[in-house]
Amino acid sequence: DQQVKQNSPSLSVQEGRISILNCDYTNSMFDYFLWYKKYPAEGPTFLISISSIKDKNEDGRFTVFLNKSAKHLSLHIVPSQPGDSAVYFCAALPENRDDKIIFGKGTRLHILP
Amino acid sequence: IAGITQAPTSQILAAGRRMTLRCTQDMRHNAMYWYRQDLGLGLRLIHYSNTAGTTGKGEVPDGYSVSRANTDDFPLTLASAVPSQTSVYFCASSDQPGVFDTQYFGPGTRLTVL
Repeated sequence: DQQVKQNSPSLSVQEGRISILNCDYTNSMFDYFLWYKKYPAEGPTFLISISSIKDKNEDGRFTVFLNKSAKHLSLHIVPSQPGDSAVYFCAALPENRDDKIIFGKGTRLHILP
Repeated sequence: IAGITQAPTSQILAAGRRMTLRCTQDMRHNAMYWYRQDLGLGLRLIHYSNTAGTTGKGEVPDGYSVSRANTDDFPLTLASAVPSQTSVYFCASSDQPGVFDTQYFGPGTRLTVL
């Protein structure tokens, strides 16, 4: 049973517009969430994170929003740029930090010219 | 260039054979991890090590073993490979256990078991 769900396998967005990637989780013990970005033939790289004590974290063009009651988080990229085309993974950590990080399946973002 | 190296880049292996995937980091990170990435399944944690001399099981440890004799190296061994272990394997490290904001990934090893 998937604990971290990214229900959109792919997303296409016009360059300059806002990209919104969504992630849902089922385990209420998760209290820390991360987004990673992955280019083909490379390992993932950390992008942004958010603790459950916050509902928003911003870093430049990237903002993550957390809705704990809905067990939902989203990554906003604005404005979208060609280099943002990649696979984005949502990940979650439990409170006890037993190192069993759980990843979603990923969403492939295509930025259209 | 500092970072994580993995070897081999890719490998085709006959079922039943033994295989060790190598991982080395030069950042003196305490924690290291092995993941597999399968189409449609995202990344799943196989084994981890919080510090040299210790290891732990992740989400999908069966069929794999690891060792952490020193800080820099974290090899992953498939004792008797099976086709379901065909995957892309990523090694990662982080400065401290449980701190995944500073988790760096290697370039991956693409393994095909026939």
